[in-house]
Amino acid sequence: NAGVTQTPKFQVLKTGQSMTLQCAQDMNHNSMYWYRQDPGMGLRLIYYSASEGTTDKGEVPNGYNVSRLNKREFSLRLESAAPSQTSVYFCASRGTGARETQYFGPGTRLLVL
Amino acid sequence: QQQVKQSPQSLIVQKGGISIINCAYENTAFDYFPWYQQFPGKGPALLIAIRPDVSEKKEGRFTISFNKSAKQFSLHIMDSQPGDSATYFCAASSQTGANNLFFGTGTRLTVIP
Repeated sequence: NAGVTQTPKFQVLKTGQSMTLQCAQDMNHNSMYWYRQDPGMGLRLIYYSASEGTTDKGEVPNGYNVSRLNKREFSLRLESAAPSQTSVYFCASRGTGARETQYFGPGTRLLVL
Repeated sequence: QQQVKQSPQSLIVQKGGISIINCAYENTAFDYFPWYQQFPGKGPALLIAIRPDVSEKKEGRFTISFNKSAKQFSLHIMDSQPGDSATYFCAASSQTGANNLFFGTGTRLTVIP
C-alpha cells in the first residue's frame, strides 16, 4: 500500500517548455488535490477533483491544467512553464467522509529557468 | 488574501520546553481545524485536528486549544524533543463549502538538544 505517489521527484525546465506531473493513489479515495508550496506562502490549492470525471479550480489555477484520468490518477500539466512556477508541488487525496484526512504525496520539486 | 494567519514564522525551543504556534481565521464557516507536520523532503502529514464544538484536544504531547469567539487556535507541544523539529502548518475547512483546506504559512520549529 504505497499511499500517494508522485513522479518525477525533481525536474528542471526551461521557460516555455511543457511537462506533466503525475499523481496516483491506491486508497480508493474520491477526492484528489494539487498544491504548490512556496517559502512563506504555505500550501496553496491549484486544482482539485471531488470525484472521477470532475475538476475545479483552486486558489492559484492560472498556468495549469489538470486531468482526472481515472479514480486513481490525477495529473497536473504546465503548458508553457514560467520561472514563477518554480515550486514544490504536492498531490493529495481524501476519502469520502466530511472529515476524512488529506494524505499527501512526497512532492515534485520543479525548477524553471 | 491569507484565510488562515499563522505565527511565528520560526521558533527555537530547548529540549523539554513547550512549543506554541498560533493561528487565526476570519471565516466563521470554518468548522474543521487540522494541524499538519512536515519533515524536510517529505509531504505534510496530519498531526492532530479539532472541531469547534470542543475547546481543547490532546494527543500525547500535542494539544490543540481552540477559542471560537476569538477565532483563534493554537498548537502546544509539551516536552519538545529534537525529533519534533519540522515545519508545522495549521489549516481550516468548511463542510458547507467544497471541504477544501486553507493552510497557514507554516512555522519552522527547531528543538535544540
